[in-house]
Amino acid sequence: GAGVSQSPSNKVTEKGKDVELRCDPISGHTALYWYRQSLGQGLEFLIYFQGNSAPDKSGLPSDRFSAERTGGSVSTLTIQRTQQEDSAVYLCASSLMRPNTGELFFGEGSRLTVL
Amino acid sequence: GQQVMQIPQYQHVQEGEDFTTYCNSSTTLSNIQWYKQRPGGHPVFLIQLVKSGEVKKQKRLTFQFGEAKKNSSLHITATQTTDVGTYFCAGLVEGSGDKLTFGTGTRLAVRP
Repeated sequence: GAGVSQSPSNKVTEKGKDVELRCDPISGHTALYWYRQSLGQGLEFLIYFQGNSAPDKSGLPSDRFSAERTGGSVSTLTIQRTQQEDSAVYLCASSLMRPNTGELFFGEGSRLTVL
Repeated sequence: GQQVMQIPQYQHVQEGEDFTTYCNSSTTLSNIQWYKQRPGGHPVFLIQLVKSGEVKKQKRLTFQFGEAKKNSSLHITATQTTDVGTYFCAGLVEGSGDKLTFGTGTRLAVRP
């Protein structure tokens, strides 16, 4: 595709429900990041995938959060038993090569609202 | 853990004034990238610096990478209302693999 695609763009859910957020990176990009951004705040790192290496999950805030990347392409971020504090914009980014030489391309984000 | 801090957190300037944001890392960075996020938008790549002491310019924007590769700055000359947004630095921390670490960001507001 032309850019990083994220879906849904908006998701409203009730507390306690599970949600899945999808990221379709630019074709051929080996690195994929998930970030969380609350209103007016910075980028909170969640998880990083690079090629076939084990993902860096050090930013996941709790065991309710998980992510996978199938076939080195599409990634899904799953939040189980959502809480109100999970409300934020979830941004996905991908890059062609290692960050030393590749810029990150961000998707438009998925805005999650937990009621 | 590794942290990349930016100062100031927020700055409000009169259109035409200059603006600078500083990015500081506790450890050496292999590279530094800068991104701009417009209100309601997503971060967009501006530039990458790799060499110690490197300086790059993009029109009214000047980017510097410190000699020790632990800090960087972005300077905007004669700000315009189109410069409004949050500026993030992001660095590759040496010894921590190839994961990019983002700074805390500086939000710029410009009075017309």
